[in-house]
Amino acid sequence: EVQLLESGGGLVQPGGSLRLSCAASGFTFSRNWMHWVRQGPGKGLVWVARVNSDGISTNYADSVKGRFTISRDNAKNTLSLQMNSLRVDDTAVYYCVRGSDLGTYYFDYWGQGTLVTVSS
Amino acid sequence: QSALTQPASVSGSPGQSITISCTGTSSDVGRNSLVAWYQQLPGKVPKLMIYEVSKRPSGVSNRFSGSKSGNTASLTISGLQPEDEGDYYCSSYAGPYTYLIFGGGTKLTVL
Repeated sequence: EVQLLESGGGLVQPGGSLRLSCAASGFTFSRNWMHWVRQGPGKGLVWVARVNSDGISTNYADSVKGRFTISRDNAKNTLSLQMNSLRVDDTAVYYCVRGSDLGTYYFDYWGQGTLVTVSS
Repeated sequence: QSALTQPASVSGSPGQSITISCTGTSSDVGRNSLVAWYQQLPGKVPKLMIYEVSKRPSGVSNRFSGSKSGNTASLTISGLQPEDEGDYYCSSYAGPYTYLIFGGGTKLTVL
């Protein structure tokens, strides 16, 4: 069974940093592209970042470019998101998401999410 | 990176059909067939319902269907059931720089 378990969320002040992690199991982690998607309180889904299978290629939403860094450790089956210079509007539940075997632009498994709150 | 445009809400009675639109531009929805639809039931994580505009993943009911014309994609749900009530999001690949965008979401109410 595919499982994605996020950790690292919490309360941080504006301008602060946080590192999210996602422990993956139940599939060959190194084969799938991985993504982070966020959802603000009562709001819609927003794609944040993606990393390809070997961790070499990444993309970011304009809103986080230069502040967030996505990475993966295929030996440890772990996905990470380093978030710097956090802003109030980064407040959201952050989901670790697997790129589908049907196509890397689709998401077939989602973690339960970890809440990041940016507030003074 | 503006979100794709979806109606905020739609409603229908059990057994009826509804259609949710998703309007983008020639840079995203209009440029390829990499459009997907997700269902998010209350308190749950999103679930992939449609990919590549009109294909259904294994296990998804054939009551769900997708289509596209120009810059607008559509999700149709036929034979509405109470358990269909939730939020629906479209997504589209938007090129190598913007990469991927979601729609703003549509709340489906089954009356």
